[in-house]
Amino acid sequence: GDSVTQMEGPVTLSEEAFLTINCTYTATGYPSLFWYVQYPGEGLQLLLKATKADDKGSNKGFEATYRKETTSFHLEKGSVQVSDSAVYFCALIYAGGTSYGKLTFGQGTILTVHP
Amino acid sequence: DAGVIQSPRHEVTEMGQEVTLRCKPISGHNSLFWYRQTMMRGLELLIYFNNNVPIDDSGMPEDRFSAKMPNASFSTLKIQPSEPRDSAVYFCASSFQDGTQHFGDGTRLSIL
Repeated sequence: GDSVTQMEGPVTLSEEAFLTINCTYTATGYPSLFWYVQYPGEGLQLLLKATKADDKGSNKGFEATYRKETTSFHLEKGSVQVSDSAVYFCALIYAGGTSYGKLTFGQGTILTVHP
Repeated sequence: DAGVIQSPRHEVTEMGQEVTLRCKPISGHNSLFWYRQTMMRGLELLIYFNNNVPIDDSGMPEDRFSAKMPNASFSTLKIQPSEPRDSAVYFCASSFQDGTQHFGDGTRLSIL
């Protein structure tokens, strides 16, 4: 079945450091890929998404590129801020068959940014 | 626009009591999802509906859990009887055809 694997956390960085959170997936067909972010005490929010190979999703300085050849969707940000401290989830959806609409999530990566 | 609305935000009750969690999805969305989040097991999909019909309830932990969606604007998740191991944050999410799920702020449930 479909699955998503994220890099182990937690990740701790200093403010203005470069961030990469790795995400790889296995899926049948051609899924859409997502990054969600969860701030403390809140629900998950969509951060960015990509629907086909070589698409780049971007939002709030974060970027991720859909790489079909390496089945990856790594999240990057050039300069993190304390306010980026949160849990980040990589996810996929396969728009077909009976699983339509159901997201498959990775296990989440905790990011802590220190001043 | 209003997002997904969940109630209550917090619930504390004694084991054995019935618990009902409520969700109002975003107007026009046709899929609704119930999740449970704990430190030990992370984020788990319990059940989801498409056009008010349950599609997959394989994540419902046991018969004590039930979910309904009587119309397009309301869903409930019920636990009866509740147990301390049911303590978690329960999220509702809704989506339309592009698959992007919009989450509520969750209900933090504590069973004593």
